[in-house]
This record gives sequence, C-alpha cells and structure tokens, in this order.
Amino acid sequence: QKEVEQNSGPLSVPEGAIASLNCTYSDRGSQSFFWYRQYSGKSPELIMFIYSNGDKEDGRFTAQLNKASQYVSLLIRDSQPSDSATYLCAVNYGGNKLVFGAGTILRVKS
Amino acid sequence: GAGVSQSPRYKVAKRGQDVALRCDPISGHVSLFWYQQALGQGPEFLTYFQNEAQLDKSGLPSDRFFAERPEGSVSTLKIQRTQQEDSAVYLCASTGGGPGGELFFGEGSRLTVL
Repeated sequence: QKEVEQNSGPLSVPEGAIASLNCTYSDRGSQSFFWYRQYSGKSPELIMFIYSNGDKEDGRFTAQLNKASQYVSLLIRDSQPSDSATYLCAVNYGGNKLVFGAGTILRVKS
Repeated sequence: GAGVSQSPRYKVAKRGQDVALRCDPISGHVSLFWYQQALGQGPEFLTYFQNEAQLDKSGLPSDRFFAERPEGSVSTLKIQRTQQEDSAVYLCASTGGGPGGELFFGEGSRLTVL
C-alpha cells in the first residue's frame, strides 16, 4: 500500500509568519511530488511540483524534498489570510496516477 | 475549453438510483483521471484513461462503478444502484503530460445519496 501521510492540523500561524507543511511517503520509488491548495468547496489547484532533492522556490513558496528521508515539505513565507486553505501533498509513484495525503488545514490569522 | 468542466455540480440521488457524471477535459489533454474525495479526506484515485483506453481502473470501489471515454475526449462516470457510502465529491482531472505529470482538476460533482 503506497501511502502519503500529513498532519491534519489545523496549523495556525499569524499573518506574516512562515508556515511549514510536512509530508512523508512510503515508497522510495516515488518519482515526483506535488503540493496542491484546496479552498473549502473548491477543487485542488497546483502550487508546486518537485522531483529533485533539495529546494525549489516560487515566489513566497518553497518546496523541499529529501528522498533519503522520504520527506517533502512546503514553506509559505509572509503568510497571508488568503493562504488559509487545505494543503494536499501528492506523490507520483509511477503509472501516471497521484496518491494524495488527507491534507493539512492551514489558518493564517490577521 | 479553458479548463476541466464537470456536470452536474450537485446531484442528489435516492439510494438505489443510477447516476451519471460527466467530465469535459482541457482540449488536447490525452490523459484523464477520476478521483473520489470524501469529506475531510484527500482525493482517492478511481480510474485513468489515455485517449479512449482505460489503462487503470484499480481504484473503482465496486462493480457498480463504471467509466468510459469512447472518443478520447468527454468521459462519463456511472454509478449504478447508488449507496449512501457513495456520497462524495467526484473530481475529474486531465493532464497534457507536462513535467512530472501535474493534474488540472475540474470543480467536481458533489453526489449526495439519501
């Protein structure tokens, strides 16, 4: 069973702080990793993907991947109330399908 | 189209009824996926098409679930003899094969079985 684990939260951070979201996965053969944001009642939307060890930055978002530890994280700098949502970690284990975690609820308080 | 389009957005069915959910993917996207998302959970894979070929249906929960994509574009997910446990949001996603295979999701069809 290929699994993706996330802390369900909620993770509460003050406006302007760094939010750190974490995800672990079970299969070392995983090829690529995704972070999706999902607002309540809406569909998931892609924030970032990463497939090489290390960091990948895009604006206020940084994805970090450590394949040896089977760990991927998402950092959100200068958090805004509009960042409040559920963040879904997804792993492509091959075979063209993504396995999703249950998501972490993020609340940014102004 | 500009994005993945799903219909109906909301469906209420009595237990035992059959339902059909439609997905119109992004134009030119050959790969299409169906996911099921229960309340408070992440999306769970149901099935995958490449063009008209259904290459993976390992996530379909029972033989009451059936999906098709006869012309390699629009897809229909059919659920026969609906049960209360089928209540969920059914998400359709497509991909054009970009780096890593990122999915673009439709707004989903929320099914409530009474």
